[in-house]
Amino acid sequence: GENVEQHPSTLSVQEGDSAVIKCTYSDSASNYFPWYKQELGKRPQLIIDIRSNVGEKKDQRIAVTLNKTAKHFSLHITETQPEDSAVYFCAAYIQKLVFGTGTRLLVSP
Amino acid sequence: NAGVTQTPKFQVLKTGQSMTLQCAQDMNHEYMSWYRQDPGMGLRLIHYSVGAGITDQGEVPNGYNVSRSTTEDFPLRLLSAAPSQTSVYFCASSYSAGRETQYFGPGTRLLVL
Repeated sequence: GENVEQHPSTLSVQEGDSAVIKCTYSDSASNYFPWYKQELGKRPQLIIDIRSNVGEKKDQRIAVTLNKTAKHFSLHITETQPEDSAVYFCAAYIQKLVFGTGTRLLVSP
Repeated sequence: NAGVTQTPKFQVLKTGQSMTLQCAQDMNHEYMSWYRQDPGMGLRLIHYSVGAGITDQGEVPNGYNVSRSTTEDFPLRLLSAAPSQTSVYFCASSYSAGRETQYFGPGTRLLVL
C-alpha cells in the first residue's frame, strides 16, 4: 500500500522567514496530494491541495510543488506569522487517503 | 449545517469493554472515514466507506468494526478495548471520494485503562 514520509518532524523559524516541509510517497499511481493544518486541540483542516496533472499551486503565502518523477511534494510558506504555528500533515491518495506523520511548525515573533 | 459531529468527546474504558464511537454528517457526503491520531504517528486510516453499504479497511483496522447503513452515519465499534487503542479518533467525510476536501469532526479522546 501507499506509504508517505514527511520531514522534518519539527521546524522552528523566525517570523517573516520561509518554511518548507517535504513529503515523499511510494505509489506512483497516487493522484491527489492535500496538506492539512491542525492547531492545538483542534481538528485538521485543508489548507491547499494539488492533483497529479499540476506541478505547482499557490494560494497567497502558501504554495505546493509536486515532482511526480521523484515522487515527492513540498509545502512552502512564505512570510511566516505566529498564527502559522501548528502541525502540518501531507497526504497522498490512491483509492484511500494516507497521511504523513506530521510537522510541528513553530514561528517565533 | 452541523457538518461532521462525533460523540462522545471523551471516554474512559476498561480493558475488554466494548463501545461505539458515533459519527454523523449532514452534508450528503458519500465518502466517510475514521482515523486515529497518536503522538508522532500522524493520522492513520482505520476504515473508510465510499457509500452506504460499502466499507473497506485502512492501514490499522484490527480491533475495529464499522458499518454504513445510511449515508449520514458511520459508527466505529471497539469490540474488546485494549490499552493500545488509547488515542484520539477523528471521523471525516467528503463529497464523493477521498481525493476531495476532507471535513473532520471534532474528535473523540479515548482512554483505555
